[in-house]
Amino acid sequence: TQLLEQSPQFLSIQEGENLTVYCNSSSVFSSLQWYRQEPGEGPVLLVTVVTGGEVKKLKRLTFQFGDARKDSSLHITAAQPGDTGLYLCAGASVSNYQLIWGAGTKLIIKP
Amino acid sequence: ETGVTQTPRHLVMGMTNKKSLKCEQHLGHNAMYWYKQSAKKPLELMFVYNFKEQTENNSVPSRFSPECPNSSHLFLHLHTLQPEDSALYLCASSQGPGRDRESQYFGPGTRLLVL
Repeated sequence: TQLLEQSPQFLSIQEGENLTVYCNSSSVFSSLQWYRQEPGEGPVLLVTVVTGGEVKKLKRLTFQFGDARKDSSLHITAAQPGDTGLYLCAGASVSNYQLIWGAGTKLIIKP
Repeated sequence: ETGVTQTPRHLVMGMTNKKSLKCEQHLGHNAMYWYKQSAKKPLELMFVYNFKEQTENNSVPSRFSPECPNSSHLFLHLHTLQPEDSALYLCASSQGPGRDRESQYFGPGTRLLVL
């Protein structure tokens, strides 16, 4: 069974600080997606990483796919209250591209 | 309406009730999904429909019954649920299942409480 473990489960920091959240697995994925879910809403896709070692930037958010395509990280620089939400990673199975989901990191940015 | 809509947004039901959740997508997608989201757990894929045909049923109890009359509409019929079925039920759509790098678009979910 493929599993994706996200860490930390919960993170509460002050505005302006930097943070990194992780998504780890023992399995190789074809691609990996990061979603953000705000209270009362469904997840919204932020980025898809495809190539081992790939780095993508979305304003203050930097996403990296591990060289072996088994793990990924999300780094936020100078976090803002608007970054508050549940961050979910989802890896696409190499056999059928079905998404395997992590349990999420709940992020709170305090003003 | 744009994107993926779900109704109702909140539902409280007793264990003997019968209710239905509705999802509609306005994106022209061919695939639709039902997920269950419980606190601190990964999203659980329940059902997948592609061009109105069910392609996935991940060992979901029969008290959950999906219906997909066309590519834009998806229902989840509920009957004799258990308290542990209380969760957020998310509907999603995509261009087609089984494609790499494909984005899924989610509705806001139905928050279900079973008493």
